[in-house]
Amino acid sequence: EIVMTQSPAALSVSPGERVTLSCRASQDVTIDLAWYQQKPGQAPRLLIFGASTRATDIPTRFSGSGSGTDFTLTISSLQSEDLAVYYCLQYNNWPKTFGQGTKVEVK
Amino acid sequence: EVQLLESGGGLVQPGGSLRLSCAVSGIPFSTYTMTWVRQVPGKGLECVSAITGSGDITYYADSVKGRFTISRDNSKNTLFLQMNSLRADDSALYYCSKAVRFSSSWFDYWGQGTLVTVSS
Repeated sequence: EIVMTQSPAALSVSPGERVTLSCRASQDVTIDLAWYQQKPGQAPRLLIFGASTRATDIPTRFSGSGSGTDFTLTISSLQSEDLAVYYCLQYNNWPKTFGQGTKVEVK
Repeated sequence: EVQLLESGGGLVQPGGSLRLSCAVSGIPFSTYTMTWVRQVPGKGLECVSAITGSGDITYYADSVKGRFTISRDNSKNTLFLQMNSLRADDSALYYCSKAVRFSSSWFDYWGQGTLVTVSS
């Protein structure tokens, strides 16, 4: 099983600041990596797939990068509505596995 | 608009059974792989089962293999998860989600989930 490790576990950021979230895979997943946003009481929402392709209707302030084992989700200018837990998912191999999540709090 | 609506969750005793359903609209249902992903409240996400559009290939996580059965009725655009021999650690919010394909695919649409509580 591929283990996905996200860092940091949580962070507190002021509106307008740049946010960088990391996700590391225990083995090469090429670019088979997605990012999800989960707001309190809601289902996960797809942000990024293929490591860097934004899903439909996702604001351009969200961007993804990386390949192989190291990936990054960047929020270029944090908005108050971006308060959420962010998860990465590798879908290169079964079982498809999620990271444990990064909680983003807005100061 | 793509909609996924889960139902069938509830409180069940250890060793009991539940059948979850997911009604899907807005897509050609039989074309797509469907999955069940669960989440213990406040915890992470686990893909527990998946099934191809035709139903000929399935996947089960080791944690549920032999106890859960995934199926679908393409004539009714509905996905099912039969859960037997339930344990306390099966307690979670169960999401139905759609994948683009069975292999090398992310989950693009999700329902709002149905809560399963296994407790005496």
